[in-house]
Amino acid sequence: KAGVTQTPRYLIKTRGQQVTLSCSPISGHRSVSWYQQTPGQGLQFLFEYFSETQRNKGNFPGRFSGRQFSNSRSEMNVSTLELGDSALYLCASSPGGKRTDTQYFGPGTRLTVL
Amino acid sequence: GENVEQHPSTLSVQEGDSAVIKCTYSDSASNYFPWYKQELGKRPQLIIDIRSNVGEKKDQRIAVTLNKTAKHFSLHITETQPEDSAVYFCAAFLGSASKIIFGSGTRLSIRP
Repeated sequence: KAGVTQTPRYLIKTRGQQVTLSCSPISGHRSVSWYQQTPGQGLQFLFEYFSETQRNKGNFPGRFSGRQFSNSRSEMNVSTLELGDSALYLCASSPGGKRTDTQYFGPGTRLTVL
Repeated sequence: GENVEQHPSTLSVQEGDSAVIKCTYSDSASNYFPWYKQELGKRPQLIIDIRSNVGEKKDQRIAVTLNKTAKHFSLHITETQPEDSAVYFCAAFLGSASKIIFGSGTRLSIRP
């Protein structure tokens, strides 16, 4: 099976702009989780989607949002970008039937906010 | 609380020696503990996991131990090799919050 893919791989934006990142899970996986990775904070959980519904969310401001489509592909959106949003954004997919299913990560999208 | 503490943040060991990374969690309802390895510029990959109904699990040179009473779990790598150099993340599934929380990572370096 093909692995988790993310597009774009790199992105440069300026403060105040908004950005949309995409994640395609492994075929058959119904859960997609998003994480923000920064050198100082490690992997921070953003949200999880399962069957087009947000199943859980982390402690991020409302500028961070996401959605999932019927084919399980997921997008996350960050509005009104701030310098501190510069990070590697990783998504991970799992079969989703159990919350403790193994998660498989994508390569990430590196976002730089200038 | 939603917290997983990981120590040490950096670890350097001689090739062939063992490396141990420790994590503690606060949610007594946690029942699943995966470990991920992230090589430079690559995605995190699962290397081993343990569920709360067992105390230890081994896979070749890698082992994980779990102490539910003390709420801590550890990764043990024996006979370390240069390709073990990476950042290792522990994680815990918090039953009370139904989500996986990651530790802050340990950068492991293997000295030749």
